[in-house]
Amino acid sequence: DAGVTQSPTHLIKTRGQQVTLRCSPKSGHDTVSWYQQALGQGPQFIFQYYEEEERQRGNFPDRFSGHQFPNYSSELNVNALLLGDSALYLCASSLGTGTNSPLHFGNGTRLTVT
Amino acid sequence: GIQVEQSPPDLILQEGANSTLRCNFSDSVNNLQWFHQNPWGQLINLFYIPSGTKQNGRLSATTVATERYSLLYISSSQTTDSGVYFCALAGDGSSNTGKLIFGQGTTLQVKP
Repeated sequence: DAGVTQSPTHLIKTRGQQVTLRCSPKSGHDTVSWYQQALGQGPQFIFQYYEEEERQRGNFPDRFSGHQFPNYSSELNVNALLLGDSALYLCASSLGTGTNSPLHFGNGTRLTVT
Repeated sequence: GIQVEQSPPDLILQEGANSTLRCNFSDSVNNLQWFHQNPWGQLINLFYIPSGTKQNGRLSATTVATERYSLLYISSSQTTDSGVYFCALAGDGSSNTGKLIFGQGTTLQVKP
């Protein structure tokens, strides 16, 4: 049973550049959520995709955008990178958006902006 | 928005000891989960527990929704239990399992 997979594992970018992170959900899951985790903090919700549409969004600027594909995989795009975007980016999947589906996380992509 | 407070922030145990981690929240919730983040950053779902009690091996969790708190019990701790424990829940009356608000975590170190 394949879990949530993310790529790449590590990434170094320069201020102003753009980055794309990828996620494949756990087998059987159809909903993908993205989180940003700064050092020493709990994860913060960025947005959620279900049926190829953004369903919920946290308090993140429009520089953060995403996409979900028909096979349920997802991408997170960040434009005009800032030093403060350096963090661990976590993808999580679940079955639907309702109550009885625990959230499963991937191992994350560690993004460093220099 | 809903507030999530975890205590204690840090905990050091000797292997074999028991511990209780607490999560207080400021509003009613339909969705509460406990996670363990290991030293390599991997976040593992321990319990989905909006109410009641569940047990999984040496771990158990209890949520008293009416009093707005949840407890995670770790018995006979092992060095592999080290890491950060997060309580996370859906706020604003939502049941959306993907949009969770995380506490600041409890960092546990188990010494051999």
